[in-house]
Amino acid sequence: QQQVKQSPQSLIVQKGGISIINCAYENTAFDYFPWYQQFPGKGPALLIAIRPDVSEKKEGRFTISFNKSAKQFSLHIMDSQPGDSATYFCAASTKSNYQLIWGAGTKLIIKP
Amino acid sequence: EAGVAQSPRYKIIEKRQSVAFWCNPISGHATLYWYQQILGQGPKLLIQFQNNGVVDDSQLPKDRFSAERLKGVDSTLKIQPAKLEDSAVYLCASSYSLGDIQYFGAGTRLSVL
Repeated sequence: QQQVKQSPQSLIVQKGGISIINCAYENTAFDYFPWYQQFPGKGPALLIAIRPDVSEKKEGRFTISFNKSAKQFSLHIMDSQPGDSATYFCAASTKSNYQLIWGAGTKLIIKP
Repeated sequence: EAGVAQSPRYKIIEKRQSVAFWCNPISGHATLYWYQQILGQGPKLLIQFQNNGVVDDSQLPKDRFSAERLKGVDSTLKIQPAKLEDSAVYLCASSYSLGDIQYFGAGTRLSVL
């Protein structure tokens, strides 16, 4: 119930392509869905986040698509660049305790 | 604005030894979190402080792990005695308040041999 399932585990995309990472959840009480980016040797950093009252949020080349009925959300990275190579984590939390439940992460490699 | 500071960056110890990690959150941040990140997994919350009080420590293995946040600023996380399965990166994060964006430090990589 508390899990967030993330896929794929790893992803290789050509420079300029679209990277897509998916997450699914069961707990309908989740109301905040952030994506974090983590570079080797660094802590995670918030990339973009969405709440379930909207179906899409875009910030630059990064877009979150949210499907409330399917209990799924995804991160799209347009025009992927080598500098986007990192591990991406989805997460979710509820208003009751604001604690983030994390996916297992996706290691993204952008090939030049 | 300075970020979340953690030290040491790396630590190698033998099993059954003790180890301590230190975290200095972003100035003014009331909420502080300690996470354990095992290789290939997402961070797992160990303990959460609001000022110097514990909000949640339900996932902290209290028989060996302890944490404190004196004066509501810096925090230390201790493991005593360490086990092989404690090998992980220990991340500290802080936020202005509960529910706000969490900012992470670079973490302490612990290897237990």
